[in-house]
Amino acid sequence: GAVVSQHPSWVICKSGTSVKIECRSLDFQATTMFWYRQFPKQSLMLMATSNEGSKATYEQGVEKDKFLINHASLTLSTLTVTSAHPEDSSFYICSARIPSAGAKTDTQYFGPGTRLTVL
Amino acid sequence: DAKTTQPPSMDCAEGRAANLPCNHSTISGNEYVYWYRQIHSQGPQYIIHGLKNNETNEMASLIITEDRKSSTLILPHATLRDTAVYYCIVRTGTASKLTFGTGTRLQVTL
Repeated sequence: GAVVSQHPSWVICKSGTSVKIECRSLDFQATTMFWYRQFPKQSLMLMATSNEGSKATYEQGVEKDKFLINHASLTLSTLTVTSAHPEDSSFYICSARIPSAGAKTDTQYFGPGTRLTVL
Repeated sequence: DAKTTQPPSMDCAEGRAANLPCNHSTISGNEYVYWYRQIHSQGPQYIIHGLKNNETNEMASLIITEDRKSSTLILPHATLRDTAVYYCIVRTGTASKLTFGTGTRLQVTL
């Protein structure tokens, strides 16, 4: 299957600082990437959809000014958590979309996730 | 996208087939059934998807009932490394969201 990487795999930061997480598609180009968040013992929640060359689409309740998403190339999307606070501590996961042959459907491949801890 | 119902947990002996059920009684004609799994502290892993025909790949088989209201993911020879949360997701074709429910926690035991 397609490979998606994330960097860093874990990060600890102080409250009030900003943290950038990178998501890369390693062996394919992805016009669309997605960012999810997962709190302990909960399921994944979609935060936003990132389209190359355009503004991200955020899910209801997700602050776009706090979670800045940039998708500047077909292989890289970044999520920046600005002015992070302890309640932002979570597991952040990205995915990249590959259309199927004939483009009737697609498959999302996920990165390994980034664990953010805000002190 | 249609809602899915899965049992919260299942056990399976190593080497035996693991059959994970999923109900999606409100599925519509253009919606696909996707299966992902998430091993602890990792990102979800794509397993398989289908529309109405049964599908098989190197990881698993997907059996979809004729009325498409339910499906079963089959891991033919479960190993300890198959212990994970398995998510059944129904969605329309391209570019639509993946909405994760609570999934089935599969525990494979010796």
